[in-house]
Amino acid sequence: EAQVTQNPRYLITVTGKKLTVTCSQNMNHEYMSWYRQDPGLGLRQIYYSMNVEVTDKGDVPEGYKVSRKEKRNFPLILESPSPNQTSLYFCASSLSGLSPLHFGNGTRLTVT
Amino acid sequence: SQQGEEDPQALSIQEGENATMNCSYKTSINNLQWYRQNSGRGLVHLILIRSNEREKHSGRLRVTLDTSKKSSSLLITASRAADTASYFCATAGPGPGTASKLTFGTGTRLQVTL
Repeated sequence: EAQVTQNPRYLITVTGKKLTVTCSQNMNHEYMSWYRQDPGLGLRQIYYSMNVEVTDKGDVPEGYKVSRKEKRNFPLILESPSPNQTSLYFCASSLSGLSPLHFGNGTRLTVT
Repeated sequence: SQQGEEDPQALSIQEGENATMNCSYKTSINNLQWYRQNSGRGLVHLILIRSNEREKHSGRLRVTLDTSKKSSSLLITASRAADTASYFCATAGPGPGTASKLTFGTGTRLQVTL
């Protein structure tokens, strides 16, 4: 089954404790992206990747890192999480930046 | 940012009625896409309309695009309770740089009651 898999589904952590949210897709997609969703603000792009070893900032990249060492994986790293990063995070992939996105089921992160 | 803005923010209708949601955006686009999100879950792609298209259909969905007004509408006909969800428009820019991302609006929350 074609899918984007994110883990974990829920995560509660404390300020400053490094964490990684994993994302994997099995559709051989070139393009992958991370979004955060906050009430009243819609989805905002954090980082995206056009291909392996090619990543670029989205609209809200501060406080986040990504890497694209393999085509299928695109982990999101929070080196020092802060409470304002409490949000619902989505990973998505597509054939290209213009194509329809396939979304993961989301990771609800709470930073206390 | 060429973020789309959906209107209305919330819509409540009865089963069997039609639901219309609108999206406005600010700059030129390559295409516009509509997505659905069931409470807290991942978004699901519904339909894509290119900038040179004016109307597109998919099942009970009808999307129109007016590039002169920089607006689009999504019509769901004969709505069902299962259509209850949030609906988002997303725009893809025309150029090599801006084409690298979809920009989402804030969504319309649709409630379909029996």
